[in-house]
Amino acid sequence: NAGVTQTPKFQVLKTGQSMTLQCAQDMNHNSMYWYRQDPGMGLRLIYYSASEGTTDKGEVPNGYNVSRLNKREFSLRLESAAPSQTSVYFCASSAPGQMNTGELFFGEGSRLTVL
Amino acid sequence: TQLLEQSPQFLSIQEGENLTVYCNSSSVFSSLQWYRQEPGEGPVLLVTVVTGGEVKKLKRLTFQFGDARKDSSLHITAAQPGDTGLYLCAGAGGSGNTGKLIFGQGTTLQVKP
Repeated sequence: NAGVTQTPKFQVLKTGQSMTLQCAQDMNHNSMYWYRQDPGMGLRLIYYSASEGTTDKGEVPNGYNVSRLNKREFSLRLESAAPSQTSVYFCASSAPGQMNTGELFFGEGSRLTVL
Repeated sequence: TQLLEQSPQFLSIQEGENLTVYCNSSSVFSSLQWYRQEPGEGPVLLVTVVTGGEVKKLKRLTFQFGDARKDSSLHITAAQPGDTGLYLCAGAGGSGNTGKLIFGQGTTLQVKP
């Protein structure tokens, strides 16, 4: 089973460039999330989507936009990348009815460097 | 803003030693999860504790949820090199927030053979 698939796994951008991180899950989960992970700071929620057609801001949404394309796919876009957005980005999903307390299933991460 | 403080942030021990990782908050959570993350991979759920005072065991790992549901601990007995990784606690359903999982900053464990 693929679970949660993220692309690309690695990306280097120059300041001001834009890019989109793609995420797809094949577990029929309603809720999907984007986190960033920085050394010593754990995982911080950027945006989440409780169900298809809805998106909401998390803890650190500035500089990002998201699109819940359908039930399977949730993308994260950086319109004008900044060095502060250098991080490892994780997409995750959770089962129906368990958005707040259920198990999160994570992708393998996308390592982004902004020069 | 709710915070989960993990300690220690880094732990390097010899194979066979015991260790405890702590996860503390001033907030009450309805449940608390522990994840383990290996380099280059996403976190994977180890356990969820829900009831105050609850203790769960997973082979050599023992997880405890504080009576007041504000803190938790992870104890590993006779650590092995395969236990090496980043351990993350995450609290859910706390008061005053959106209900989303709040993650601690993580504890990096290195077990040397």
